[in-house]
Amino acid sequence: GAVVSQHPSRVICKSGTSVKIECRSLDFQATTMFWYRQFPKQSLMLMATSNEGSKATYEQGVEKDKFLINHASLTLSTLTVTSAHPEDSSFYICSARDGRGDGGELFFGEGSRLTVL
Amino acid sequence: AQSVTQPDIHITVSEGASLELRCNYSYGATPYLFWYVQSPGQGLQLLLKYFSGDTLVQGIKGFEAEFKRSQSSFNLRKPSVHWSDAAEYFCAVGPLNQAGTALIFGKGTTLSVSS
Repeated sequence: GAVVSQHPSRVICKSGTSVKIECRSLDFQATTMFWYRQFPKQSLMLMATSNEGSKATYEQGVEKDKFLINHASLTLSTLTVTSAHPEDSSFYICSARDGRGDGGELFFGEGSRLTVL
Repeated sequence: AQSVTQPDIHITVSEGASLELRCNYSYGATPYLFWYVQSPGQGLQLLLKYFSGDTLVQGIKGFEAEFKRSQSSFNLRKPSVHWSDAAEYFCAVGPLNQAGTALIFGKGTTLSVSS
């Protein structure tokens, strides 16, 4: 099946710094990728939809200036958490739907655990 | 409104016992339904999916799910649970043939397995 790779898996940073998380589709082209955030023991909250070659679409309540998304190629989307604060600590997961076939299942990266000190 | 409801937040079953996790959905178009499993600190793995055909679908790890349109349900089952099945389970719904649309997830059900 299709593979989505996410890096880094864990990152610890100081408050006020920026952190970049990469999401790659390894064996398919993803014109659209999705970034989710997951709080402990909670469900996945869609943050934004990343569109190759255009601006990301953010969900209501998500600060686009804090969570910068870039989708420069058909296989890479990046999420940059700018001026991170402790409340940004969370598990961030990227995903993409393989557009081949029925445009079906969502393939997930391994997730990135961000801890802001 | 489009939504997925997983009524059970936490379920505990004995090893070897049968399991059923409930999922109800509300979706305006033809739904494409999924069950994912998440182990602690990990990403999500697809267990099974359904959009047409036989309403009883088989997945990996011995799981199956039954689609009931009249009840807007897509419940996950397993005849005999193993300790390694302890994890978080998410039901999700999305549109067919629209790779540019994200899935909507339920809040998840935590499964604990007792010996």
